[in-house]
Amino acid sequence: QSALTQPASVSGSPGQSITISCTGTNSDIGTYDLVSWYQQYPGKAPRLILYEVNKRPSGISDRFSGSKSGNTASLTISGLRAEDEAVYYCCSYVGGSSLGFGGGSLLTVL
Amino acid sequence: QLQLQESGPRLVEASQTLSLTCAVSGGSVSRGYSWSWIRQSPGKGLEWIGYIYHTGGTYYNPSFQSRVTISDDGSKRQFSLKLTSVTAADTAVYFCARVLRQFFDSWGQGIQVTVAS
Repeated sequence: QSALTQPASVSGSPGQSITISCTGTNSDIGTYDLVSWYQQYPGKAPRLILYEVNKRPSGISDRFSGSKSGNTASLTISGLRAEDEAVYYCCSYVGGSSLGFGGGSLLTVL
Repeated sequence: QLQLQESGPRLVEASQTLSLTCAVSGGSVSRGYSWSWIRQSPGKGLEWIGYIYHTGGTYYNPSFQSRVTISDDGSKRQFSLKLTSVTAADTAVYFCARVLRQFFDSWGQGIQVTVAS
């Protein structure tokens, strides 16, 4: 059982925007701005796309953005492209020097 | 460009100890970075196992607390994972990663480990 809750799947058409939610508790997402997001293609290692809620690493498109409200963090992908089809994981500091992942959300580009 | 490479036995007998090593090349291993292991069971999501701080301190997922040890060789260019008393449930792809301020900024390619019963 994952520490954080994500929808199992989301979908959108090319050019549209989609949002993936990541719900935690008052003890993790609700307290710390230490949420990160990862993109994973089949058979590949995850890749960091957002950290500390809404910061993008060098080389990550500005089509990826993040936000947080209460105990829920969100990843928004705008101008959806076929290459965005992947599994997306959220991760948060959960206190006690521990980290927890969401269960992952499969993004399908229709 | 930082590169991380996992290595170790790909097949482990049940009840034995899984031992993996992550070699770090290129990039920075300076103070401020920590080093972590994450695994992904077949068809499942990511599971944080634990990490070792630049100070040498270690922190583990409570789910593994009694079975796991993460250590480094002092150079910060190699760190290791040991997981004891493995079962089929420990069959997974194991990733090593660099940690900066509670996020994983670089990942190894992963190594598939199968536990044989």
